[in-house]
Amino acid sequence: DGGITQSPKYLFRKEGQNVTLSCEQNLNHDAMYWYRQDPGQGLRLIYYSQIVNDFQKGDIAEGYSVSREKKESFPLTVTSAQKNPTAFYLCASTRTGGAGTEAFFGQGTRLTVV
Amino acid sequence: KQEVTQIPAALSVPEGENLVLNCSFTDSAIYNLQWFRQDPGKGLTSLLLIQSSQREQTSGRLNASLDKSSGRSTLYIAASQPGDSATYLCAVSGDYKLSFGAGTTVTVRA
Repeated sequence: DGGITQSPKYLFRKEGQNVTLSCEQNLNHDAMYWYRQDPGQGLRLIYYSQIVNDFQKGDIAEGYSVSREKKESFPLTVTSAQKNPTAFYLCASTRTGGAGTEAFFGQGTRLTVV
Repeated sequence: KQEVTQIPAALSVPEGENLVLNCSFTDSAIYNLQWFRQDPGKGLTSLLLIQSSQREQTSGRLNASLDKSSGRSTLYIAASQPGDSATYLCAVSGDYKLSFGAGTTVTVRA
């Protein structure tokens, strides 16, 4: 079945540590996105990539980094510069980077600072 | 900046009642509107996608309408069931991203 796979499902980060969240899709979609979800708030865009080897900052990119070396993969690194990283992280993809196409989401990674 | 609002934040209904969920947005220059379902601790599942040129979209017991000029969409769920209990989010598509509402959490009582 085609879809988006995020791993791990749960992740714990110590203070000052960088952690990387994985996102893989087999939908052959060009565009991929990372969103952050906090309780009682809508999803907020962290980074997006419309094609391989290109990505753009979203609304809350500070303290995060990404790479897009392969079409199917879009990992997100939460760096020590992100002061409040505890949240639910969701990866999404669309067929093209243009507007008007349906978005599909992974099952999410819950990150907790310990 | 696009602002998306969903009211109410929570809704509890008895089984069999029809559900009406509302979504409003401030900028009518959208490409499409998508309704999602989210179960606790899970990702988002796409329910319906309405292109900006469409007025409504239907799938089974679900029907969504779009009035772009007034910045409103409504999701109707007919004959609700306990399995419909979840959070429902709407999102509008701009140039490169989706803008989300905070969601309506629905509880269907058996």
